[in-house]
This record gives sequence, C-alpha cells and structure tokens, in this order.
Amino acid sequence: DIQMTQSPSTLSASVGDRVTITCRASQSISTWLAWYQQKPGKAPKLLIYKASSLESGVPSRFSGSGSGTEFTLTISSLQPDDFATYYCQQYNNYSWTFGQGTKVEIK
Amino acid sequence: QLQLQESGPGLVKPSETLSLTCTVSGGSISSSNYYWGWIRQPPGKGLEWIGSIHYSGNTYYNPSLKSRVTISVDTSKNHFSLKLSSVTAADTAVYYCARHRFEVPDAFDMWGQGTMVTVSS
Repeated sequence: DIQMTQSPSTLSASVGDRVTITCRASQSISTWLAWYQQKPGKAPKLLIYKASSLESGVPSRFSGSGSGTEFTLTISSLQPDDFATYYCQQYNNYSWTFGQGTKVEIK
Repeated sequence: QLQLQESGPGLVKPSETLSLTCTVSGGSISSSNYYWGWIRQPPGKGLEWIGSIHYSGNTYYNPSLKSRVTISVDTSKNHFSLKLSSVTAADTAVYYCARHRFEVPDAFDMWGQGTMVTVSS
C-alpha cells in the first residue's frame, strides 16, 4: 500500500500569509495527487487534481505542484474562508489513500 | 445538479453488519463512465477510503477492510450500497459516499453530506 505523509500537522498563519503544505508518497505516484479542503461538520471539497489542475470554481490563490513522491499545496494569500483542514490523496492502480491532514489555524 | 445522499441506521451493535445506501439524484448512476466510492472519517481523525464501484459492477476495496466489505450498485434504483460486517467500536465514523472524477477515477469530485454511524451495544 502507498502511504501518504503530510507536513506540518498543524499550521498557524495570518490572513494574507503565503501558506505551503507538503505531502510525500511512499513510492512514486507520477502526478496522481489530489488536494481537499474540509471544514468542521462538512464533507471534503476537491481543490486540486492531477497534482496541479485547479478544480472548477476553486479560487486561483490555490495551487499545487510536484510529481513522483513530493507534492505541495500553496495558498498564495490566506483568506478568512481558508482556515480549515487540508488532505492530500493519491491514486494508484484502483487504490486510493489519504494523508493524515493539515489543520490551518488562525495565528 | 447531481447530488449524493447517504442513508442507513445511525446505530449498529458490535459484531453486526453496517449497511448504508447512497442515492444519486440529478443524474443517472450508469449514464457515464464514473466510479462511485465510500470514504469514512472517525471522530476527530482523518479520511479513510473504504472501496469503490463502477456501474458495471467492478469493485475495488481497501486491503485493510476487504475481508469485511461489500459494495454493490443498483442501477434501477440509482443507488449504490455499502455493507461492513463484524463491526466494532473502531468502525464508528462519519461515512461519506462520493463520485470519482470522470474517465480517470483519480479523485473524488462530488460528495454526500455524510452520515454518522455509531457502533455500540
């Protein structure tokens, strides 16, 4: 099984900050990496797929990069609505695994 | 607008079978080359993929749950279902159904609101 490791687990930031979250896969997954945002009591929302493709309707301040085993999610200027938990998720040969999550808190 | 809605008992006794259904509205479950999945989230914890199904019936399961999981699809009722047998307290979680992205099922682009299932006697 492919394991996904996110860092940091918690991140404290202020509105306007540039925020970067890292996700590492235990083996190469090419660019089959997605990012989700989840707010308390809500279902996750797809932000990025195929490592760097922005889902329709998602603000352009969100961006993704990486390939192989290392990936990043960047929020260029953190907005009040962005305080949430973020998950990465890999896809490989009809198997899917999520990272443990990164909580973005108000500093 | 496509919507997914989970339904089923909110309380299941230990050793029994958890059964949930995801009803798809606003579109046909078999109209396009979509896969459909189940994901769960224990209270205060992260997301765990349980399994996925194509309307043709092809199924894929998380190896850690495979011995206890069955996912099926009923195209006539436009829904797909999850059965998880021999449940324990560790299976207490919010259970989500979701749709995979079109053609290449790499990510989940639409989700139900989730349903909380508690395993307790």
